[in-house]
Amino acid sequence: QKEVEQNSGPLSVPEGAIASLNCTYSDRGSQSFFWYRQYSGKSPELIMSIYSNGDKEDGRFTAQLNKASQYVSLLIRDSQPSDSATYLCAVGASGGSYIPTFGRGTSLIVHP
Amino acid sequence: GAVVSQHPSWVICKSGTSVKIECRSLDFQATTMFWYRQFPKQSLMLMATSNEGSKATYEQGVEKDKFLINHASLTLSTLTVTSAHPEDSSFYICSARSTASETQYFGPGTRLLVL
Repeated sequence: QKEVEQNSGPLSVPEGAIASLNCTYSDRGSQSFFWYRQYSGKSPELIMSIYSNGDKEDGRFTAQLNKASQYVSLLIRDSQPSDSATYLCAVGASGGSYIPTFGRGTSLIVHP
Repeated sequence: GAVVSQHPSWVICKSGTSVKIECRSLDFQATTMFWYRQFPKQSLMLMATSNEGSKATYEQGVEKDKFLINHASLTLSTLTVTSAHPEDSSFYICSARSTASETQYFGPGTRLLVL
């Protein structure tokens, strides 16, 4: 069974700090990886997708992928209270059948 | 781009009635649509995957006769909760995957309360 693991948190960081969110996955053949943000009571919204090893930056967000270690992370620089939310890691299935697996999410709290 | 809408955004109904939720991809064609359910403070739970023009694939433990899914076109999928009961009260979220990429885009969700 394909698994995506995230620490449920909460992860608490002060405003302005770097928040680091981690995710590991079991399907070694996965090729697509996504980070979503979900505010309380709302549906998830896509933050970033990453497909290749290395870093991908978009504004204050950086996704990091290491397929050998089956590890993907999301860094949020200059964290703001508005970043407080649950962050979901999603991993695309291998074998050509796209049914992604979501982690349970990490709750992030950015305090002023 | 990549906007997904859901209607209604919330619904209250009496036990035993059926409720239909629509999911539309507004500016792209969706090969595949997904239906999720989320209880308070719980993670997303995939209910079913639907491809346009074919029968939905339901996850283990999800009753296909209770949760009817129709994916009639590349921009519309519907979920009908038949004979709803209070335990069906939840936040139902659809997502759509475009034909052009693997990315899923989520609708805003439908909050269902069954009295």
